[in-house]
Amino acid sequence: AQSVSQHNHHVILSEAASLELGCNYSYGGTVNLFWYVQYPGQHLQLLLKYFSGDPLVKGIKGFEAEFIKSKFSFNLRKPSVQWSDTAEYFCAVNERGFQKLVFGTGTRLLVSP
Amino acid sequence: EAGVVQSPRYKIIEKKQPVAFWCNPISGHNTLYWYRQNLGQGPELLIRYENEEAVDDSQLPKDRFSAERLKGVDSTLKIQPAELGDSAVYLCASSSGSNQPQHFGDGTRLSIL
Repeated sequence: AQSVSQHNHHVILSEAASLELGCNYSYGGTVNLFWYVQYPGQHLQLLLKYFSGDPLVKGIKGFEAEFIKSKFSFNLRKPSVQWSDTAEYFCAVNERGFQKLVFGTGTRLLVSP
Repeated sequence: EAGVVQSPRYKIIEKKQPVAFWCNPISGHNTLYWYRQNLGQGPELLIRYENEEAVDDSQLPKDRFSAERLKGVDSTLKIQPAELGDSAVYLCASSSGSNQPQHFGDGTRLSIL
């Protein structure tokens, strides 16, 4: 079955630390890849997406993600986190041409000031 | 633009009672999704509509769950009768078409007593 794995369930960082959240998927075909973020008390928001082209994708708020096809990975990175980045981060994948979006279990990030 | 609107935000009911959730998608978005998000998990698709047609309801427990999208705009999701295991956040999302990002509402947090 198609699946998305986020190996880090909880991450605690101090402000200014670098962030990398892992995401691996198990699709064999061409995929679209997404990172969504859910700030406390808010709805899921799109952070960034990859459809095709440059595998290094830049999103909002200084986040970026790199698609590595050979590793079936789409890791999220940020060089210096802020307290306001405290949120839950979800990786999601859909097979190109299919609308079904499959989410990972999420990673809760806590950034201490 | 206005986002996806869901109501109510919270609902507490006793088991075996019926419950309904309402969703108004972003104007012009033909595709509408209902997801269920259990605690500590990512959202899981229940049903997808293209206009008023349910094109993917394979994950919808049809013995107790039903949904409709009359006129291809607003949608309602109903559970009758509710069971303890239905406690979750029910999310509505919409998109403007295939390979377009999904935009999520705030969700309805359902608690079954």
